Amino acid sequence: AQTVTQSQPEMSVQEAETVTLSCTYDTSESDYYLFWYKQPPSRQMILVIRQEAYKQQNATENRFSVNFQKAAKSFSLKISDSQLGDAAMYFCAYGGYKLSFGAGTTVTVRA
Amino acid sequence: DTEVTQTPKHLVMGMTNKKSLKCEQHMGHRAMYWYKQKAKKPPELMFVYSYEKLSINESVPSRFSPECPNSSLLNLHLHALQPEDSALYLCASSQRGRSGREETQYFGPGTRLLVL
Repeated sequence: AQTVTQSQPEMSVQEAETVTLSCTYDTSESDYYLFWYKQPPSRQMILVIRQEAYKQQNATENRFSVNFQKAAKSFSLKISDSQLGDAAMYFCAYGGYKLSFGAGTTVTVRA
Repeated sequence: DTEVTQTPKHLVMGMTNKKSLKCEQHMGHRAMYWYKQKAKKPPELMFVYSYEKLSINESVPSRFSPECPNSSLLNLHLHALQPEDSALYLCASSQRGRSGREETQYFGPGTRLLVL
């Protein structure tokens, strides 16, 4: 099974500032998907952003962007202009059919 | 539309009860999943259905019984559960991508289960 590592259990960010969440993974495959999911206290798991490994260009979705380093097997998430609604647990995940999740990073946003 | 619905939102049951969780999607996805999630932990895969056939069972105890009546519905039948089965149960569905492999999983809001 693929291993996904999120080394930051908690991150805190001031409103309107930027925060970066780290994620590394281990795989021997060349074609795969990577995801960031957000789970607010309401517990709904929401897709934030998706990256296809064969694409060199980093994915972006509004204030969310990733830094995908395939050779380093790194997939970090940057949240720009942080808002109070961004407070949640963020999971990095590898795969598609059978997802491997990281342990999660709890993001708190200070007003 | 990327909506997966789950009912009920909350469920309290005794260890001798029988209950069912329901999941529905109308996105035309042909793979559907059940996950169990404990607080502050990532989801743990329980079952995967692909084209209405059970394709993955992650060694889940038999007191959990999945059913896929059609391509839009997924049920999880519960019987003789234990207090440690209390958790959030998430349903998800996914579409098949250009490579023929399943791509993004979309999750429902979950059913919060408490076993007394």
